[in-house]
Amino acid sequence: EVQLVESGGGLVQPGRSLKLSCAASGFTFTNYYMAWVRQAPKKGLEWVATINTSGSRTYYPDSVKGRFTISRDNAKSSLYLQMNSLKSEDTATYYCARHTRAALYVMDAWGQGASVTVSS
Amino acid sequence: DIVMTQSPTSMSISVGDRVTMNCKASQNVGSNVDWYQQKTGQSPKLLIYKASNRYTGVPDRFTGSGSGTDFTFTISNMQAEDLALYYCMQSNSYPLTFGSGTKLEIK
Repeated sequence: EVQLVESGGGLVQPGRSLKLSCAASGFTFTNYYMAWVRQAPKKGLEWVATINTSGSRTYYPDSVKGRFTISRDNAKSSLYLQMNSLKSEDTATYYCARHTRAALYVMDAWGQGASVTVSS
Repeated sequence: DIVMTQSPTSMSISVGDRVTMNCKASQNVGSNVDWYQQKTGQSPKLLIYKASNRYTGVPDRFTGSGSGTDFTFTISNMQAEDLALYYCMQSNSYPLTFGSGTKLEIK
């Protein structure tokens, strides 16, 4: 069974940093692109970052580019999201997601989410 | 960025109804639109990919169609467990972008 389990969420002050982790199991992690998607309270879904299988290429929307860094440790089957210079508008539930192999941008497995609140 | 305009925002429906929602892309995305279901308190779940392909295990009452800029998602025989928010997403190019969602509610 494919499982994605996020951790590391919490309350953080504006301007500070936080690092999320996602532990993957039930599939060969090294074969898949991975992503982070967030959802602000009572709002829709926003794609945040994608990383390729080796970790050599990463992709971000302008809203987080330069502040967030996605990375992975294939030996540990783990995905990370380093979030710096956090703003109140980064408050959201952050989901770890797996891209499919056949259609690289499609996301076919999602974690349960980690809640991040940015507030003083 | 490609904007995905989803309509309607919400729908009041009855069990057994046929439900149709739409998504319009601000530019041509080919067949690269996917549909996700999100039930209250849960993470999103992939239902349809590349406009019309049902994901593994998804019941055949869920269908998708369209290409270019106009896409449709249909539930042919609404069930109580289908009450949820539904999102379209363009998977044609970065940045990946979602529609604002359609909420299905019981009439």
